[in-house]
Amino acid sequence: QVQLQESGPGLVKPSQTLSLTCTVSGGSISSGSYYWSWIRQPAGKGLEWIGRIYTSGSTNYNPSLKSRVTISVDTSKNQFSLKLSSVTAADTAVYYCARLGIVGATSIFDYWGQGTLVTVSS
Amino acid sequence: QSVLTQPPSVSGAPGQRVTISCTGSSSNIGAGYDVHWYQQLPGTAPKLLIYGNSNRPSGVPDRFSGSKSGTSASLAITGLQAEDEADYYCQSYDSSLSGLYVFGTGTKVTVL
Repeated sequence: QVQLQESGPGLVKPSQTLSLTCTVSGGSISSGSYYWSWIRQPAGKGLEWIGRIYTSGSTNYNPSLKSRVTISVDTSKNQFSLKLSSVTAADTAVYYCARLGIVGATSIFDYWGQGTLVTVSS
Repeated sequence: QSVLTQPPSVSGAPGQRVTISCTGSSSNIGAGYDVHWYQQLPGTAPKLLIYGNSNRPSGVPDRFSGSKSGTSASLAITGLQAEDEADYYCQSYDSSLSGLYVFGTGTKVTVL
């Protein structure tokens, strides 16, 4: 059973960089045809896809965040990471990491981490 | 900036049937991309409920069903149970500048 766990600071100051890591257990991050994604959810609001990475290092980002986002992968540690620069209070949210699995001709977020709350405040 | 529109809330008594709509556009659902549904219980991460418009992952009760037509999709819950009280989100792929993966605005299901 694949499990994902987010980790990182729960408090980030405005204008600084938010950094989170997702550790994958129960399987190799490199096995199978999977993308690994970050998704966020402000309190009381809906879900927003941030970006995805393949184990080759290929990335795609949400255009609305693209200028501030970097997602990277460390296959030796079975981890992938998120960096979001120049944060503001609007970036305060629960951040989820998730596996993007391929089923037929479609891709689905089939495994999720429990989520971690990141607050942007001075 | 959700591009898939859902009703904010729906409610029903135990045993009743409720439906949740998900309206998109020609760059996502209308373009033929599949719709998936996620259930988010209070304080937990979303869980895949329906994939590929109408398929249920192993372990999901057959009370949950999905359909898609044109630029919209629907999730139906028959025989509503107290444990179904949760937020539900549709999700699809978008070929415009909205981003590759887009979610619905979310619907709160209340069991009366």
